[in-house]
Amino acid sequence: KQEVTQIPAALSVPEGENLVLNCSFTDSAIYNLQWFRQDPGKGLTSLLLIQSSQREQTSGRLNASLDKSSGRSTLYIAASQPGDSATYLCAVITFGNEKLTFGTGTRLTIIP
Amino acid sequence: EAQVTQNPRYLITVTGKKLTVTCSQNMNHEYMSWYRQDPGLGLRQIYYSMNVEVTDKGDVPEGYKVSRKEKRNFPLILESPSPNQTSLYFCASHTRNGGLNEQFFGPGTRLTVL
Repeated sequence: KQEVTQIPAALSVPEGENLVLNCSFTDSAIYNLQWFRQDPGKGLTSLLLIQSSQREQTSGRLNASLDKSSGRSTLYIAASQPGDSATYLCAVITFGNEKLTFGTGTRLTIIP
Repeated sequence: EAQVTQNPRYLITVTGKKLTVTCSQNMNHEYMSWYRQDPGLGLRQIYYSMNVEVTDKGDVPEGYKVSRKEKRNFPLILESPSPNQTSLYFCASHTRNGGLNEQFFGPGTRLTVL
């Protein structure tokens, strides 16, 4: 059974710093991995999707990497801003499944 | 605009009163799912559908029903809601075409069962 872990559960950093969020998964047989952002009480905003054959994806100040063999992904946020404060979730689709298995998220706070 | 819509967005009800949460997508996706999100437990899949008239259980299907009579719609039915079904519910859709399998989520329905 696929399990997704995100550590730490919460992170606070000063504005302007670069930061890395971590995600690990137990079954490397994945179709893809998605990173989402969720503001309190709100829906999910898809940030980046990495297919299993890819190593990384970039969108603006965000860069996501994938090391399928080790079961790890990182989300790099450059030059953090207060508006980046949110919970970040990673999720994978495993072969043979039609669902996303989610981590419990990292709550990020950017301190002005 | 490509989107997944859910209604209602907020709902307060009482134990045992049947309710339906609607979900619709305009992307012609064959796959649709329902998830619930609870503090400390994350998002868990309730039911999913691979196409019209094809549905299957997810991780937490107890107390829920679904139907898929049209490709665009995938309602979630609570026949006899109980307080432990108080949660934030999300509908999602995706397609296998093109190989991306990117999932698109609705805005969520916050359900409170008293």
